[in-house]
Amino acid sequence: DVKVTQSSRYLVKRTGEKVFLECVQDMDHENMFWYRQDPGLGLRLIYFSYDVKMKEKGDIPEGYSVSREKKERFSLILESASTNQTSMYLCASSSTTPLAGGFDRDTQYFGPGTRLTVL
Amino acid sequence: AQSVAQPEDQVNVAEGNPLTVKCTYSVSGNPYLFWYVQYPNRGLQFLLKYITGDNLVKGSYGFEAEFNKSQTSFHLKKPSALVSDSALYFCAVRDGGSYIPTFGRGTSLIVHP
Repeated sequence: DVKVTQSSRYLVKRTGEKVFLECVQDMDHENMFWYRQDPGLGLRLIYFSYDVKMKEKGDIPEGYSVSREKKERFSLILESASTNQTSMYLCASSSTTPLAGGFDRDTQYFGPGTRLTVL
Repeated sequence: AQSVAQPEDQVNVAEGNPLTVKCTYSVSGNPYLFWYVQYPNRGLQFLLKYITGDNLVKGSYGFEAEFNKSQTSFHLKKPSALVSDSALYFCAVRDGGSYIPTFGRGTSLIVHP
């Protein structure tokens, strides 16, 4: 019954390392999102993609890049990890077209999150 | 521009009592309003949404929310709280013409036995 999966639940990396976070959804959604969640700050949008190979910057894109080569997969890349990127990373997907299969239009479906620690 | 405010960082309620988690919003067009819940070390789960229609929206786990256009509010309510309702609750809003919602900072709900 899992709909949005993330490659790791917990990840520990060293400063300066290149980090890949993977997200896969099986609902054929057009839209995919990467957020980071920090206590007291809620969810902040890093990047958004509304189609394959399309991306838009969110509120805090600095230090991050993304890749969407296939509709179901949206990757977040930390080019050179820093300690201030220690956070919970959440992936989500949504659709703005009428859908079959019981999935709700407009609603975002979230993955379980990846807790990244950069030492 | 769109924004959402959750004025309470934490709400405490006794089991069996009614609960309210507050949310106010600002959008330039018609609001699409959402509530999500997050249990510890989990992603967010959809509870309910308002797009159009009846101002009282019913959702999962016995929760409901009332859309009040004049007060620009969308408070989450439940008639009788359970200890298992203890979690972090997020309100979100987006303009009807946008793909991207804005989330509030979250409210921690603690239900005491």
